[in-house]
Amino acid sequence: GAVVSQHPSWVICKSGTSVKIECRSLDFQATTMFWYRQFPKQSLMLMATSNEGSKATYEQGVEKDKFLINHASLTLSTLTVTSAHPEDSSFYICSGSRNRETQYFGPGTRLLVL
Amino acid sequence: GNSVTQMEGPVTLSEEAFLTINCTYTATGYPSLFWYVQYPGEGLQLLLKATKADDKGSNKGFEATYRKETTSFHLEKGSVQVSDSAVYFCALKNTGNQFYFGTGTSLTVIP
Repeated sequence: GAVVSQHPSWVICKSGTSVKIECRSLDFQATTMFWYRQFPKQSLMLMATSNEGSKATYEQGVEKDKFLINHASLTLSTLTVTSAHPEDSSFYICSGSRNRETQYFGPGTRLLVL
Repeated sequence: GNSVTQMEGPVTLSEEAFLTINCTYTATGYPSLFWYVQYPGEGLQLLLKATKADDKGSNKGFEATYRKETTSFHLEKGSVQVSDSAVYFCALKNTGNQFYFGTGTSLTVIP
């Protein structure tokens, strides 16, 4: 099956620092990657959609300068949380899709900002 | 707008018990409906899906029927196993290919 990995699986950082999360499709080429955020006991919320080689499309209310997304290749997308603050603490999940019909999800990255 | 509501957990069942996890949705247009499962430490995996009204999705003994009249897509399994312990997410995909997820329902099956 199609496998998506995320790194790191969890990260703790100080307020004001930037954190980069990697999302890789291991055995397929993901033309589209999605980034989600999940708060405890809440739904996954789509943050942005990125297509390889083009700028990401952000959902309403998501600060694009705060959450930088790069999709430089068909197997790698990165999410950088810039100048992280405690309210950015959350569970971040990526998914990759070959044709937008089926999404394959990564295991998630838990971010804690102190 | 589009949204998914599923029953809150956690749900704890004995092995071989009957499982129902309720899911209702609100959508514009004609969405596709999905159930995803997340085992501990792993990513979300597609469990089953249905793309139009009255379709029944099934996989690994799980079933769900797309009910347009009640806007529901309840997940059922006749006899759960310990290995079914996981978090289950109901989701819809609208005509714009955007996914909307429920909050997830944690299931624990005890021997």
